[in-house]
Amino acid sequence: EPEVTQTPSHQVTQMGQEVILRCVPISNHLYFYWYRQILGQKVEFLVSFYNNEISEKSEIFDDQFSVERPDGSNFTLKIRSTKLEDSAMYFCASSQDGTGVYGTEAFFGQGTRLTVV
Amino acid sequence: AQKVTQAQTEISVVEKEDVTLDCVYETRDTTYYLFWYKQPPSGELVFLIRRNSFDEQNEISGRYSWNFQKSTSSFNFTITASQVVDSAVYFCALSGSSASKIIFGSGTRLSIRP
Repeated sequence: EPEVTQTPSHQVTQMGQEVILRCVPISNHLYFYWYRQILGQKVEFLVSFYNNEISEKSEIFDDQFSVERPDGSNFTLKIRSTKLEDSAMYFCASSQDGTGVYGTEAFFGQGTRLTVV
Repeated sequence: AQKVTQAQTEISVVEKEDVTLDCVYETRDTTYYLFWYKQPPSGELVFLIRRNSFDEQNEISGRYSWNFQKSTSSFNFTITASQVVDSAVYFCALSGSSASKIIFGSGTRLSIRP
């Protein structure tokens, strides 16, 4: 069964460092997403990406964050200068069509646990 | 604004009991979609079900059933004859017709005791 894969599963980084989280979405999906979950809390939307551009972003997704689809298979989230409060589980997701427009379900990866020290 | 409320933070039941997880949503969209996801202890998010706002038919899948009531803006999830493997955090979620994002509730942690 196709799945969303994320690497690494756990990343530890020093405050102020740049970090790149990587994801390989399901191959025939057109929409890509990043969500985050601070330990024990709700899953929060960060950004959606379609047709090589950002479709929507939340207020969390400020100038420190960027996303890219550098080739036909990878989808990355970059945090330019990490802060302690960026520590969270980051989930990548993909869907065949938009979750809102078409109500298509999003499939999530297993997550990358980011720890900023 | 869109909002999903899961008032039950934690539920603990003995195996084989039935349990219902409540979900109440708010949206101004006339077309919207509701989802349930499961997050087992291993941490991944597993899609369980999707329902659109025009389909109020209840759905049953094995031991799982969902009750969608537009009149009360609720989309409740029932597990019958619960099993230890059902222990997880369950998230109810909402997506509006104009948005490409899913809004999650705060989740309900379900513990099934043997």
